[in-house]
Amino acid sequence: NAGVTQTPKFQVLKTGQSMTLQCAQDMNHEYMSWYRQDPGMGLRLIHYSVGAGITDQGEVPNGYNVSRSTTEDFPLRLLSAAPSQTSVYFCASSYQRGNNEQFFGPGTRLTVL
Amino acid sequence: AQSVTQPDIHITVSEGASLELRCNYSYGATPYLFWYVQSPGQGLQLLLKYFSGDTLVQGIKGFEAEFKRSQSSFNLRKPSVHWSDAAEYFCAVVTGNQFYFGTGTSLTVIP
Repeated sequence: NAGVTQTPKFQVLKTGQSMTLQCAQDMNHEYMSWYRQDPGMGLRLIHYSVGAGITDQGEVPNGYNVSRSTTEDFPLRLLSAAPSQTSVYFCASSYQRGNNEQFFGPGTRLTVL
Repeated sequence: AQSVTQPDIHITVSEGASLELRCNYSYGATPYLFWYVQSPGQGLQLLLKYFSGDTLVQGIKGFEAEFKRSQSSFNLRKPSVHWSDAAEYFCAVVTGNQFYFGTGTSLTVIP
């Protein structure tokens, strides 16, 4: 099993550009989530999904979109990148609901200029 | 609202010394509690978790944590720290479908 994979590992964007961060898992997990990690802030939940076709907002959803067309994939879209979105983004998955252990991907470091 | 507080931003211990990392949570019902560790440039790895039952839980790498309802705490301990334990440690509480993480404690281990 590859576990949770994320691409790209690093990305630099200009303000206003859009892009998609990819996340995939091969553990047949129903629950997937996206976090951003900022110094001194810990991890904050952006969006999550409890299964294909179902998504919901977390703590900091503004400026981000998600969709879940398959169990395996959960892409995160930045609609119009802003410097405030400079962060490290982590995708995670868990079996069934979110109160199970989450398995984290290696992260994507995003810089918005 | 649920929240997690890790009062210590940074801790330095000598190799071989004991370690305790503090975590306090705010949640009305019995929480699901987790400790994760993050090595530099890596994702998060689960150390241990508490759902119910025995309030002292054992985890990987020799770590343990004790749930104390009266103090709303879930402190992480290790009797003898190794240099490889240097990392960032996060406490988390989950309610429903959302995880809430603390701001983390950075651990430095000196020889």
